[in-house]
This record gives sequence, C-alpha cells and structure tokens, in this order.
Amino acid sequence: AQSVAQPEDQVNVAEGNPLTVKCTYSVSGNPYLFWYVQYPNRGLQFLLKYITGDNLVKGSYGFEAEFNKSQTSFHLKKPSALVSDSALYFCAVRDIRDNFNKFYFGSGTKLNVKP
Amino acid sequence: NAGVTQTPKFRILKIGQSMTLQCTQDMNHNYMYWYRQDPGMGLKLIYYSVGAGITDKGEVPNGYNVSRSTTEDFPLRLELAAPSQTSVYFCASSDSGPSRYEQYFGPGTRLTVT
Repeated sequence: AQSVAQPEDQVNVAEGNPLTVKCTYSVSGNPYLFWYVQYPNRGLQFLLKYITGDNLVKGSYGFEAEFNKSQTSFHLKKPSALVSDSALYFCAVRDIRDNFNKFYFGSGTKLNVKP
Repeated sequence: NAGVTQTPKFRILKIGQSMTLQCTQDMNHNYMYWYRQDPGMGLKLIYYSVGAGITDKGEVPNGYNVSRSTTEDFPLRLELAAPSQTSVYFCASSDSGPSRYEQYFGPGTRLTVT
C-alpha cells in the first residue's frame, strides 16, 4: 500500500533562515515523489517532482528536495525563507507501476515564516 | 487556457439533499480525479477517470457517484448529503502520455452539510 507521512503539522522559521519540511513515504515499488503548495482558499500548485536521476531536484520559487532511498524520505528545503513562502505544503507519492497516475498525499505541513 | 475550473465555490446543503459539483478542464487531459480535503487529513481520492466513459473508485467513494461523458467534464454527484461529507472538494487532471506526472488542480468547492 502507498502512504506518505509528514510528521510536522507546523514548521516555524524566521525570514532569511533555511527551512526544511519533512516527508517520508511507503510504496510497494519505486516511487515518483511530488511537492505541492496550497495558499489560502486556493487549489494545490505543483512545486517539484522526483522521477529518476539526480537525487536533488530543484523546483519553483527556489525550493528543492532531496530523495533519499535508504531513508525513504523526500524532504523539501529552501536556503533562505521568505514571508511569502508561508502556506500549506503537501508531499505526494505515486507508484511508478500505477498506470493511472493516482497520487497519495500526506496530511500537510503548515509553514509559517516570520519577519 | 483556464486549466481546471470548478463550480460552485461554496455551497451549504441540508442533510438528505443532493447536488452535483462541476469540474471542467481545457487541457485535453484524459485522466481526471476528485479529492476531498479534511482538516489535518490531507487529500483523499474519491473517484478517478482515465477517459470518457471510464471511471473507478478511489480510497473514499462511499456516498458519491461520478460520470464522464466527455473528455472535458467530470461531475461529482452527492445523492443524500450527510454531515460527514462536509469538506473541501478538489478536482484535478493529468496527461496520460509519457509526461503524465503532474496533476493540475482546480480552486476547490467548499461544501457544508448541516
């Protein structure tokens, strides 16, 4: 069975400091991994994905994520947080053998960036 | 290119009423999905469709029905609304070709059942 865990309901960070939002996954095969961001009263927006290749993937708005197969993790990172990064972040996983592109989402982590 | 659109944005239903949540996409995507988002629970897949005339159940299909008569439209039907169906509903679509990795989401419908 596929599942995603985001162990932190909320992450607080000061503007200019680095941020990390954690994600671990469980799939029966190899994973495709994704991060989405949700701003208040909006739908989810794609940030980045890991499909294959380099374990460090770069995405929108200066975000990056590192795929670690041995730890089954895909943590989201940014070197210098902005107040405008405050939002709800979702990690998602898809089994590469799934022909219908079904995603399984984590419960979300609220990121608060304080000035 | 409007992407994925959903109507209505908000709706209040009484217990036992029925309604249809509309979803349309203009990206010619074959795959479409309905999710519900409950506080602290992330998104759960209700139903999905891989093309016109083809639908299947997701993780939480009870109390819902779908149809897919065209590539563009994927309506979600609630027949007998219950308080447990109070949630935010998101429609999404994705390509079915080699780049079928990303899902594109609509803005959501906030439904309250009282």
